[in-house]
Amino acid sequence: ILNVEQSPQSLHVQEGDSTNFTCSFPSSNFYALHWYRWETAKSPEALFVMTLNGDEKKKGRISATLNTKEGYSYLYIKGSQPEDSATYLCALWGGGGGGADGLTFGKGTHLIIQP
Amino acid sequence: KAGVTQTPRYLIKTRGQQVTLSCSPISGHRSVSWYQQTPGQGLQFLFEYFSETQRNKGNFPGRFSGRQFSNSRSEMNVSTLELGDSALYLCASRQTAGKIRNEQYFGPGTRLTVT
Repeated sequence: ILNVEQSPQSLHVQEGDSTNFTCSFPSSNFYALHWYRWETAKSPEALFVMTLNGDEKKKGRISATLNTKEGYSYLYIKGSQPEDSATYLCALWGGGGGGADGLTFGKGTHLIIQP
Repeated sequence: KAGVTQTPRYLIKTRGQQVTLSCSPISGHRSVSWYQQTPGQGLQFLFEYFSETQRNKGNFPGRFSGRQFSNSRSEMNVSTLELGDSALYLCASRQTAGKIRNEQYFGPGTRLTVT
């Protein structure tokens, strides 16, 4: 069974500060890595889909990098704003074992931006 | 373009009953996946349907089943409900069922409470 680990579990950051968190996964059987942002009372929103080793993606103040050889991805938020408060989930396709081949999610990093 | 819709949004059922949840994907999307979210386990993949066929299945008991109609709408059924089935059930749609670059778009979820 594919194990996707996210750290830290939660994070408190002052408004204006930059922050980053990690998604770790086994480097074999890699197809694609997804990052989602999940705000309270809303649906998870896709941020990035990353497939190639060395991929870097950027959307506004949020960016992500991918290292498939060592099995990790970093998500960076520059100049945090209160609206960045959310749970950030990473998920991998494939390798679920037992016939499962959908997205396997980590448990998320819960980010709270303090004014 | 309308987003993914799920009905009902909230549901209370009694142990032993069965329940059917519905998901309408984004227009033009042919793949629908279902996920269960519980506080302890996070988001877990249930199954994926594409062109009315189940393509992938997660590690859930046979009490969980689904189907997809020719208009890509999908239903999920849980029979003989147990207390542990209380969860948020999310569906997500994407254009195709390929493993690589497809972003998934999530609905708002159905909150099921089993008493």
